[in-house]
Amino acid sequence: GEDVEQSLFLSVREGDSSVINCTYTDSSSTYLYWYKQEPGAGLQLLTYIFSNMDMKQDQRLTVLLNKKDKHLSLRIADTQTGDSAIYFCAESFGGGADGLTFGKGTHLIIQP
Amino acid sequence: KAGVTQTPRYLIKTRGQQVTLSCSPISGHRSVSWYQQTPGQGLQFLFEYFSETQRNKGNFPGRFSGRQFSNSRSEMNVSTLELGDSALYLCASSPGGGGKQPQHFGDGTRLSIL
Repeated sequence: GEDVEQSLFLSVREGDSSVINCTYTDSSSTYLYWYKQEPGAGLQLLTYIFSNMDMKQDQRLTVLLNKKDKHLSLRIADTQTGDSAIYFCAESFGGGADGLTFGKGTHLIIQP
Repeated sequence: KAGVTQTPRYLIKTRGQQVTLSCSPISGHRSVSWYQQTPGQGLQFLFEYFSETQRNKGNFPGRFSGRQFSNSRSEMNVSTLELGDSALYLCASSPGGGGKQPQHFGDGTRLSIL
């Protein structure tokens, strides 16, 4: 079945780079996503990558996809206190319907 | 462009009652998906609607149901509420016309069962 795995916590110092990792299982996924959730809020779409791409960069965010190992990572450059949140990796369902399978989320903790 | 709007934001119910949650998608989006978020199970897919038809359904009991109207607005209903139904219910919309466009989420409805 479909499963998305993430580590639960990541602690980094302000100004360093954060790298959040994710593994997925469904090889038919066409898109892979990163969402951010702040306390009391919904999910904010950060970025996404099509499964035929290896890398995507968007300002401070870099997504790397290793399709052979089914490994996805999100790198946040120059991490700031405002980046403190839970980050979710998600893969799209196969087939025609929309829908996502999410990981449990990685809590990003910023040390001053 | 207005985002996804969910109402109400907070709801308190007691066991055995039923509840209806509402979601207005981004203008022009025809697909609406619903998710349940709990500390124990994380984010789980409930169902997806496109053009008033349910296209996909997650592994939830029949007490959870939904519908979509011709203007793409969607409602979900939970009957015979149980304590375990306490959760944040999130709605997401996407164009839905194929190609797996990204889903955009609302801020959710937090449902508490007493």
